[in-house]
Amino acid sequence: NAGVTQTPKFQVLKTGQSMTLQCAQDMNHEYMSWYRQDPGMGLRLIHYSVGAGITDQGEVPNGYNVSRSTTEDFPLRLLSAAPSQTSVYFCASRGLENYNEQFFGPGTRLTVL
Amino acid sequence: SQQGEEDPQALSIQEGENATMNCSYKTSINNLQWYRQNSGRGLVHLILIRSNEREKHSGRLRVTLDTSKKSSSLLITASRAADTASYFCAMNYGGSQGNLIFGKGTKLSVKP
Repeated sequence: NAGVTQTPKFQVLKTGQSMTLQCAQDMNHEYMSWYRQDPGMGLRLIHYSVGAGITDQGEVPNGYNVSRSTTEDFPLRLLSAAPSQTSVYFCASRGLENYNEQFFGPGTRLTVL
Repeated sequence: SQQGEEDPQALSIQEGENATMNCSYKTSINNLQWYRQNSGRGLVHLILIRSNEREKHSGRLRVTLDTSKKSSSLLITASRAADTASYFCAMNYGGSQGNLIFGKGTKLSVKP
Protein backbone atom coordinates (compact mmCIF):
# COMPACT_ATOMS: atom_id res chain seq x y z
CA ASN A 1 0.00 0.00 0.00
CA ALA A 2 1.26 3.47 -0.89
CA GLY A 3 -1.20 5.00 1.61
CA VAL A 4 -2.04 8.64 0.87
CA THR A 5 -0.02 10.29 -1.88
CA GLN A 6 0.10 13.96 -2.79
CA THR A 7 1.58 15.78 -5.75
CA PRO A 8 3.38 18.06 -6.19
CA LYS A 9 5.60 18.33 -3.08
CA PHE A 10 6.40 21.98 -3.76
CA GLN A 11 4.75 24.61 -5.93
CA VAL A 12 5.25 28.32 -6.55
CA LEU A 13 2.43 30.27 -8.19
CA LYS A 14 1.87 33.86 -9.15
CA THR A 15 -1.20 35.68 -7.91
CA GLY A 16 -4.18 34.85 -10.11
CA GLN A 17 -2.86 31.56 -11.43
CA SER A 18 -4.84 28.38 -11.00
CA MET A 19 -3.66 24.91 -10.14
CA THR A 20 -4.80 21.55 -8.81
CA LEU A 21 -3.25 19.73 -5.90
CA GLN A 22 -3.58 16.00 -6.36
CA CYS A 23 -4.42 13.48 -3.64
CA ALA A 24 -4.90 9.75 -3.96
CA GLN A 25 -5.34 6.88 -1.53
CA ASP A 26 -5.27 3.13 -2.08
CA MET A 27 -6.94 2.03 1.17
CA ASN A 28 -10.53 2.15 -0.14
CA HIS A 29 -11.39 4.84 2.41
CA GLU A 30 -14.73 6.56 2.05
CA TYR A 31 -13.75 9.73 3.93
CA MET A 32 -11.17 12.12 2.49
CA SER A 33 -10.27 15.63 3.54
CA TRP A 34 -8.02 18.59 2.83
CA TYR A 35 -6.34 20.70 5.51
CA ARG A 36 -4.08 23.71 5.40
CA GLN A 37 -1.40 24.25 8.02
CA ASP A 38 -0.14 27.71 8.83
CA PRO A 39 2.40 28.66 11.53
CA GLY A 40 0.75 28.91 14.92
CA MET A 41 -2.67 27.90 13.55
CA GLY A 42 -2.61 24.12 13.62
CA LEU A 43 -4.52 22.36 10.86
CA ARG A 44 -7.74 23.80 9.51
CA LEU A 45 -10.23 21.82 7.46
CA ILE A 46 -10.86 23.14 3.95
CA HIS A 47 -13.17 20.56 2.32
CA TYR A 48 -14.08 16.97 2.94
CA SER A 49 -15.89 14.10 1.26
CA VAL A 50 -17.69 11.06 2.68
CA GLY A 51 -17.79 9.20 -0.62
CA ALA A 52 -17.64 9.48 -4.38
CA GLY A 53 -19.90 12.26 -5.63
CA ILE A 54 -20.28 13.82 -2.15
CA THR A 55 -18.30 16.86 -0.98
CA ASP A 56 -18.83 19.51 1.68
CA GLN A 57 -17.17 22.59 3.09
CA GLY A 58 -14.98 22.69 6.14
CA GLU A 59 -13.85 25.64 8.22
CA VAL A 60 -11.94 27.58 5.54
CA PRO A 61 -13.38 26.70 2.09
CA ASN A 62 -13.20 30.09 0.35
CA GLY A 63 -10.97 30.11 -2.72
CA TYR A 64 -10.91 26.32 -3.05
CA ASN A 65 -12.95 23.78 -4.99
CA VAL A 66 -13.00 20.00 -4.72
CA SER A 67 -14.57 17.07 -6.53
CA ARG A 68 -14.74 13.35 -5.80
CA SER A 69 -15.39 11.37 -8.95
CA THR A 70 -13.77 8.19 -7.61
CA THR A 71 -13.14 6.70 -4.17
CA GLU A 72 -9.37 6.98 -4.69
CA ASP A 73 -8.92 10.60 -5.78
CA PHE A 74 -9.74 13.91 -4.14
CA PRO A 75 -8.15 16.87 -5.98
CA LEU A 76 -8.11 20.38 -4.54
CA ARG A 77 -8.38 23.26 -6.99
CA LEU A 78 -7.23 26.82 -6.48
CA LEU A 79 -9.09 28.86 -9.09
CA SER A 80 -7.26 32.17 -8.67
CA ALA A 81 -4.36 31.92 -6.25
CA ALA A 82 -3.83 34.64 -3.64
CA PRO A 83 -0.85 35.25 -1.33
CA SER A 84 -3.13 34.34 1.62
CA GLN A 85 -3.20 30.80 0.25
CA THR A 86 0.51 30.35 0.85
CA SER A 87 0.52 27.36 3.18
CA VAL A 88 1.25 23.68 3.55
CA TYR A 89 -1.63 21.52 2.36
CA PHE A 90 -2.35 18.05 3.69
CA CYS A 91 -4.72 15.47 2.37
CA ALA A 92 -6.03 12.75 4.69
CA SER A 93 -8.30 9.72 4.50
CA ARG A 94 -9.98 7.28 6.84
CA GLY A 95 -12.75 4.76 7.03
CA LEU A 96 -16.16 6.31 7.45
CA GLU A 97 -16.78 5.28 11.05
CA ASN A 98 -15.89 7.95 13.61
CA TYR A 99 -13.39 5.83 15.53
CA ASN A 100 -11.03 5.39 12.64
CA GLU A 101 -7.65 7.08 12.63
CA GLN A 102 -6.81 9.44 9.80
CA PHE A 103 -3.93 8.75 7.46
CA PHE A 104 -2.13 11.81 6.16
CA GLY A 105 -0.23 12.44 2.98
CA PRO A 106 3.26 14.04 3.04
CA GLY A 107 1.94 17.51 2.21
CA THR A 108 2.30 20.10 -0.56
CA ARG A 109 4.16 23.32 0.24
CA LEU A 110 2.56 26.11 -1.81
CA THR A 111 3.90 29.63 -2.18
CA VAL A 112 1.86 32.30 -3.92
CA LEU A 113 3.82 35.38 -4.96
CA SER B 1 -14.50 27.96 16.52
CA GLN B 2 -14.26 24.53 18.11
CA GLN B 3 -10.48 24.48 17.82
CA GLY B 4 -8.73 23.07 20.86
CA GLU B 5 -5.98 24.72 22.82
CA GLU B 6 -2.74 22.98 23.72
CA ASP B 7 -0.15 23.85 26.26
CA PRO B 8 2.65 24.32 26.47
CA GLN B 9 3.28 25.65 22.97
CA ALA B 10 6.87 24.44 23.27
CA LEU B 11 8.62 22.02 25.60
CA SER B 12 12.34 21.24 25.88
CA ILE B 13 13.54 18.30 27.97
CA GLN B 14 16.50 15.95 28.32
CA GLU B 15 16.48 12.36 27.11
CA GLY B 16 15.06 10.04 29.73
CA GLU B 17 12.70 12.64 31.19
CA ASN B 18 8.93 12.49 30.87
CA ALA B 19 7.02 14.93 28.65
CA THR B 20 3.46 16.01 29.37
CA MET B 21 1.28 17.91 26.93
CA ASN B 22 -2.21 19.16 27.62
CA CYS B 23 -5.21 19.80 25.41
CA SER B 24 -8.47 21.58 26.22
CA TYR B 25 -11.59 21.67 24.09
CA LYS B 26 -14.91 23.44 24.13
CA THR B 27 -17.88 21.11 23.64
CA SER B 28 -18.71 17.44 24.08
CA ILE B 29 -16.66 15.06 21.99
CA ASN B 30 -17.12 11.61 20.53
CA ASN B 31 -13.41 10.84 20.81
CA LEU B 32 -10.06 12.60 21.03
CA GLN B 33 -6.97 11.65 19.08
CA TRP B 34 -3.29 12.54 19.32
CA TYR B 35 -1.03 12.90 16.30
CA ARG B 36 2.69 13.45 15.86
CA GLN B 37 4.31 15.50 13.11
CA ASN B 38 8.01 15.32 12.41
CA SER B 39 9.49 18.41 10.79
CA GLY B 40 8.41 18.72 7.16
CA ARG B 41 6.29 15.57 7.23
CA GLY B 42 2.64 14.57 7.43
CA LEU B 43 0.86 13.74 10.66
CA VAL B 44 0.95 10.26 12.13
CA HIS B 45 -1.79 8.90 14.38
CA LEU B 46 -0.61 7.95 17.88
CA ILE B 47 -3.61 7.06 20.00
CA LEU B 48 -7.39 7.51 20.24
CA ILE B 49 -9.40 7.76 23.43
CA ARG B 50 -13.18 7.52 23.42
CA SER B 51 -15.41 9.82 25.44
CA ASN B 52 -16.32 7.01 27.84
CA GLU B 53 -12.68 6.15 28.54
CA ARG B 54 -10.52 7.88 31.15
CA GLU B 55 -7.07 6.53 30.43
CA LYS B 56 -5.32 4.64 27.66
CA HIS B 57 -1.80 3.32 27.18
CA SER B 58 0.24 2.51 24.12
CA GLY B 59 3.90 1.66 24.68
CA ARG B 60 5.51 4.73 26.27
CA LEU B 61 2.39 6.83 25.68
CA ARG B 62 -0.29 7.44 28.25
CA VAL B 63 -3.37 9.49 27.45
CA THR B 64 -5.95 10.69 29.93
CA LEU B 65 -9.32 12.26 29.29
CA ASP B 66 -11.36 14.32 31.75
CA THR B 67 -14.70 15.09 30.10
CA SER B 68 -15.88 17.16 33.09
CA LYS B 69 -12.95 19.54 32.57
CA LYS B 70 -12.97 19.07 28.78
CA SER B 71 -9.29 18.30 28.79
CA SER B 72 -6.83 15.60 27.83
CA SER B 73 -3.16 15.02 28.46
CA LEU B 74 -0.49 13.06 26.61
CA LEU B 75 2.42 11.71 28.63
CA ILE B 76 5.52 10.36 26.92
CA THR B 77 7.67 8.45 29.39
CA ALA B 78 11.44 7.99 29.16
CA SER B 79 11.67 10.32 26.18
CA ARG B 80 14.20 9.81 23.39
CA ALA B 81 15.75 12.23 20.92
CA ALA B 82 13.60 10.55 18.23
CA ASP B 83 10.47 11.84 20.06
CA THR B 84 11.38 15.36 18.94
CA ALA B 85 8.34 16.49 16.94
CA SER B 86 5.14 18.51 17.16
CA TYR B 87 2.20 16.86 18.85
CA PHE B 88 -1.41 17.70 18.08
CA CYS B 89 -4.66 16.79 19.74
CA ALA B 90 -7.68 16.42 17.49
CA MET B 91 -11.28 16.39 18.61
CA ASN B 92 -13.96 14.32 16.91
CA TYR B 93 -17.27 15.92 17.73
CA GLY B 94 -19.24 13.08 16.16
CA GLY B 95 -22.13 13.62 13.82
CA SER B 96 -22.50 12.11 10.40
CA GLN B 97 -19.15 13.45 9.20
CA GLY B 98 -16.96 13.08 12.27
CA ASN B 99 -14.59 15.82 11.11
CA LEU B 100 -11.48 16.28 13.22
CA ILE B 101 -10.74 19.69 14.71
CA PHE B 102 -7.05 20.09 15.54
CA GLY B 103 -5.36 22.00 18.30
CA LYS B 104 -2.43 24.29 17.55
CA GLY B 105 0.15 21.79 18.73
CA THR B 106 3.01 21.44 21.18
CA LYS B 107 6.55 21.48 19.83
CA LEU B 108 8.64 18.98 21.80
CA SER B 109 12.42 19.03 21.73
CA VAL B 110 14.26 16.17 23.40
CA LYS B 111 17.96 16.84 23.88
CA PRO B 112 20.39 13.91 23.93
